[in-house]
Amino acid sequence: GENVEQHPSTLSVQEGDSAVIKCTYSDSASNYFPWYKQELGKGPQLIIDIRSNVGEKKDQRIAVTLNKTAKHFSLHITETQPEDSAVYFCAARLGNEKLTFGTGTRLTIIP
Amino acid sequence: EPEVTQTPSHQVTQMGQEVILRCVPISNHLYFYWYRQILGQKVEFLVSFYNNEISEKSEIFDDQFSVERPDGSNFTLKIRSTKLEDSAMYFCAIRTTSYEQYFGPGTRLTVT
Repeated sequence: GENVEQHPSTLSVQEGDSAVIKCTYSDSASNYFPWYKQELGKGPQLIIDIRSNVGEKKDQRIAVTLNKTAKHFSLHITETQPEDSAVYFCAARLGNEKLTFGTGTRLTIIP
Repeated sequence: EPEVTQTPSHQVTQMGQEVILRCVPISNHLYFYWYRQILGQKVEFLVSFYNNEISEKSEIFDDQFSVERPDGSNFTLKIRSTKLEDSAMYFCAIRTTSYEQYFGPGTRLTVT
């Protein structure tokens, strides 16, 4: 099965700076890579995703890059704001069904 | 973004009791999922459900677990005889036609 590793487990950045979270996956057949933001006591919220036929995708301050050869993908948040503080999870999908999640990154934005 | 509601938000039960967790997608969807998240840990896949059948399940989803869609709208997860280690957040998710999965707010299950 698929295995997803995520780093770092915690990340603190100054407001306005950029944050980068990295994930690696094990199965080269994985074809879909979403990122979720989870605030305390809430369900995971899909914030951006990328498919295996694309190398980069951007949505305002958030971007995701995918390197299929190295089997890793990254989340980039620019111009961070206090409301970006949350736990972020990457995930990978093998086939059409289940998502395999990473272990999460607790991002803290320091005002 | 598709909306998914879950009830109850918090369920406390005694070990050995049965619990039913409910999910109500607001609009029509065909693919449903249950995931769980033990406190402080990652989200784990339990089961996927399509066309009124289980399409995939994890090793966590043993004989104590069952899913059904009894009335065409609600999607339920039943745990027949709860154990202490079943304490977790349980999330329902739906899949759109473009393969995105959207999660509900979750049910916190506490087994005492």
